[in-house]
Amino acid sequence: RKEVEQDPGPFNVPEGATVAFNCTYSNSASQSFFWYRQDCRKEPKLLMSVYSSGNEDGRFTAQLNRASQYISLLIRDSKLSDSATYLCVVNPIQGAQKLVFGQGTRLTINP
Amino acid sequence: GAVVSQHPSRVICKSGTSVKIECRSLDFQATTMFWYRQFPKQSLMLMATSNEGSKATYEQGVEKDKFLINHASLTLSTLTVTSAHPEDSSFYICSAQATGRQPQHFGDGTRLSIL
Repeated sequence: RKEVEQDPGPFNVPEGATVAFNCTYSNSASQSFFWYRQDCRKEPKLLMSVYSSGNEDGRFTAQLNRASQYISLLIRDSKLSDSATYLCVVNPIQGAQKLVFGQGTRLTINP
Repeated sequence: GAVVSQHPSRVICKSGTSVKIECRSLDFQATTMFWYRQFPKQSLMLMATSNEGSKATYEQGVEKDKFLINHASLTLSTLTVTSAHPEDSSFYICSAQATGRQPQHFGDGTRLSIL
């Protein structure tokens, strides 16, 4: 089983739609959780950290369910510029800096 | 925001060549730098973690004698792919971190193609 699993997609949605991504992780002791965005042939960029209480940044909402080892990302009122691959990222080891990346979910927003 | 520069951005060379990739943190001191590799349509895979002034820690399955890492200063780490072969063709990305509590900031990657 992969440490971090995501549905690879692709997701094709119309502009303005709401889209949700899910991610599961295998290590119950994992400490930190993130969503990164990666554009084609570019480096990943941090989108947001994910906190236990859930957090929101503009049109983006992240949720963490530790009991189910499940992370989600919700994008509201999607824009064309949201087209990218979204990477679920987990720090599985307390006190260490290692990040484990999911395969990514490819999203295309259509006009 | 924190800036990490990676050079070169693109390398095309013959099989057997050694290739050096540089990763620099431009506006902060990076205690730790990470090297990742990403094959097409796959996730980033951590290759090694390097702390300034000490030997790099390699992930399982990554040959330390093939992928030489030097982290000589708080702003520079280098990855040398020795005697590169076509199967080493990949997207190599570094990241830098100031302290353990800070996020990792990624370089813009090096696309390596071995002919």
